[in-house]
Parts: sequence; C-alpha cells; structure tokens
Amino acid sequence: DVKVTQSSRYLVKRTGEKVFLECVQDMDHENMFWYRQDPGLGLRLIYFSYDVKMKEKGDIPEGYSVSREKKERFSLILESASTNQTSMYLCASSPSPQATYGYTFGSGTRLTVV
Amino acid sequence: AQTVTQSQPEMSVQEAETVTLSCTYDTSESDYYLFWYKQPPSRQMILVIRQEAYKQQNATENRFSVNFQKAAKSFSLKISDSQLGDAAMYFCAFGAQKLVFGQGTRLTINP
Repeated sequence: DVKVTQSSRYLVKRTGEKVFLECVQDMDHENMFWYRQDPGLGLRLIYFSYDVKMKEKGDIPEGYSVSREKKERFSLILESASTNQTSMYLCASSPSPQATYGYTFGSGTRLTVV
Repeated sequence: AQTVTQSQPEMSVQEAETVTLSCTYDTSESDYYLFWYKQPPSRQMILVIRQEAYKQQNATENRFSVNFQKAAKSFSLKISDSQLGDAAMYFCAFGAQKLVFGQGTRLTINP
C-alpha cells in the first residue's frame, strides 16, 4: 500500500521556535507538496517541489521554507513560529509531470503555536 | 489567479437519499484535471472521483457521479443512496500540475 507519512500527528511549539515538519513518501514520486488547511479557507499551497533540491513557492510561502535533499523526503520549516501559523499541515505527492491522478496525501500534522 | 468556490459550507441529507455538492472554478487554461476528495474525521484525504477536462462524458464511481459543465466552469458531485460512512468534509480541486482546492463542504448524514 502506497504511503505518505508525516512524522507527527500533533505538535505544540512555542512562539519563536524553529519547527520542522517531516514528510516521507515510498512511491518514488517526483512531485511533493505542502498545504495548510484552515476552516473556511480550505487547502492553500505553501511550497512544492518537482525534483530533488528543487523548490517553488506556492500561494502563501511567507514565514516558511522547505528542504528536499532526497527524493522521498520533503521537509517544511517554520523559521520562527508564530501563533498565526497554528494550523493543520498536509503533505502530498504525485508522479510527474501532470496531476493526472491527483495526489496521495499524508494524514496531516496539527500544529499549535503557543 | 485560479480559484475554486464551494458555496455550501455545510450540507445534510437523510440516509439513502441523494445529495449534490456544488463547485465552481475559474481558470484561463483549457487542459486540466478535476477532483473531489473526501476527508473523514481521521483526516486522511481520500480521492472520490476524477474528471479530465477534455472529456465531455461525466465520470462515475459507484454511487458517486459528477456533473461537469466546462463552459460554465462547474463541477458538482452527486452522491446517491447516501450512507453513514459518507459523512465527511468534501473538497473540490482542479489543476494541471499543482492543485487548487475549494473551501470544503461538511456533509452530515442523518439516520
């Protein structure tokens, strides 16, 4: 069974902390994505990557960065966590180049910044 | 900018009845894919149905079907014979490489 695994289901961090959200896929997919999900706003794209060491900004990249050193792993980094980054974070992957069959999603990390 | 609008934040339906969730989108592209995803309380996003924009025939997957109107940029989901397990948040999405998602519709099934 193909999988996208997010390392933490729940996370509580303090304001100003550097936070790492990890995502690993075992499907040899080229594309990986990070979204945040908020009530009434749906899913919004933060960053995505089409290949190792490649990254592109999505619609709301401010306050975030990403790292993709290996094909299977895509990390989201909150450089200095703030309370407005409290949200559900979803990682997804898809084979390149088109989104023909959609994404496979992880089960999400609910991050609370206090 | 590409956008997706789900105008129904919440819907409810009696078990065994039919319900339709609406979705409209905006794009200047002609070639893309459309999807409905289901997110139950477990939070795992599950693909319900997909449609290729170049195909006029509406997609069907068992009790789930879509009404795709490309000119109107509309992509609604019909769930027939609703079951308690259908209760979830439903997201409409479209795109060619990266997907744009709607705000979601929370569907409740009344027994």
